[in-house]
Amino acid sequence: GENVEQHPSTLSVQEGDSAVIKCTYSDSASNYFPWYKQELGKGPQLIIDIRSNVGEKKDQRIAVTLNKTAKHFSLHITETQPEDSAVYFCAAPPMFSGGYNKLIFGAGTRLAVHP
Amino acid sequence: GAVVSQHPSWVICKSGTSVKIECRSLDFQATTMFWYRQFPKQSLMLMATSNEGSKATYEQGVEKDKFLINHASLTLSTLTVTSAHPEDSSFYICSAPRQDSYEQYFGPGTRLTVT
Repeated sequence: GENVEQHPSTLSVQEGDSAVIKCTYSDSASNYFPWYKQELGKGPQLIIDIRSNVGEKKDQRIAVTLNKTAKHFSLHITETQPEDSAVYFCAAPPMFSGGYNKLIFGAGTRLAVHP
Repeated sequence: GAVVSQHPSWVICKSGTSVKIECRSLDFQATTMFWYRQFPKQSLMLMATSNEGSKATYEQGVEKDKFLINHASLTLSTLTVTSAHPEDSSFYICSAPRQDSYEQYFGPGTRLTVT
């Protein structure tokens, strides 16, 4: 089945710096890779996703890159702000999920942006 | 993005009692919903897939008689934790994918504390 590994587990940056979080996946047939942001006591929120037919997608200060050959994808946040502080999760779908659109989540990265 | 609600947002119950959590998709129909459990500082663990009009599909190791799932309509799924024990205390989150899509939208979560 699909295995998703996420690094680092914690990341501390100064306001204005960039932050990069990386995930690797095991199922070469996976074709959808979302990133979620979870603030304390709340449910995860989809912030950006990418499909396997493109290598990069950008939305303002957030970008996701995908390397299908190496089976890894990364979240890039530029010009970080204190409100970016949260836990970020990557995910990937297992190809054999009984017909349901399941997602397997990484362990999460706790990002702290210091003013 | 789509809107998914959960009720209640938090609940405290005594050991041995049952608790019902509701998950609603507010602006789209969801034939499938997912229930997750999240312990402090940990990732989301998929418990089961709720299917409208049929039985739920449970992940390995999840007791179906303890965590009863009912997908009553295309916009409502309920999770009932039966005979709750302190070890059931956790953050329970539901999500709903748009039909024929991997994009999942999460509810705000329900914090269950069993005393």
